[in-house]
Amino acid sequence: SQQGEEDPQALSIQEGENATMNCSYKTSINNLQWYRQNSGRGLVHLILIRSNEREKHSGRLRVTLDTSKKSSSLLITASRAADTASYFCATDEYGNKLVFGAGTILRVKS
Amino acid sequence: NAGVTQTPKFQVLKTGQSMTLQCAQDMNHNSMYWYRQDPGMGLRLIYYSASEGTTDKGEVPNGYNVSRLNKREFSLRLESAAPSQTSVYFCASSEGLADTQYFGPGTRLTVL
Repeated sequence: SQQGEEDPQALSIQEGENATMNCSYKTSINNLQWYRQNSGRGLVHLILIRSNEREKHSGRLRVTLDTSKKSSSLLITASRAADTASYFCATDEYGNKLVFGAGTILRVKS
Repeated sequence: NAGVTQTPKFQVLKTGQSMTLQCAQDMNHNSMYWYRQDPGMGLRLIYYSASEGTTDKGEVPNGYNVSRLNKREFSLRLESAAPSQTSVYFCASSEGLADTQYFGPGTRLTVL
């Protein structure tokens, strides 16, 4: 079963633009994580935000978390062709093991 | 530090054959996982091991068995491969169940 659902399923933007993808989940959580997957590779952890945090930054990444709406967003600023990848959110249901969403496919055109 | 390693990288099987996918981690993590990913899809959890000596079913365990050989190694066995098991298999590990997971490079399995 999928806890997190990403939106949109696919996103295509020009290099230099910002990319925003969203994740909604169903249960209470302790933390929410975002991962990136380049084509054919394993997932790579990007950022973790805890349930008592509202916003977190890491380089060109900005993650927000709204626990009242059970949703999170990942913003990638000034996108580059190298950001082309699939992005997954993952949540711990009631503090248990992570459950991954279906992902957003991001294509950055140069 | 190699992180999470998986062998083999590629494998082609005939229907009914068996094989074992190997996974090892050198981060002293307690928890390990096996996922499958079909084209254009997200990850589906097959089995996981919360700690050495324990294993539990995930979302799609049918047709698979696992062994947590020791803290480092977690293997996945297909006893009688079926075409529906054609997929990319990822192993991952984490300190605890809700912690950041570190993924291996994947095994691309084709069952003819």
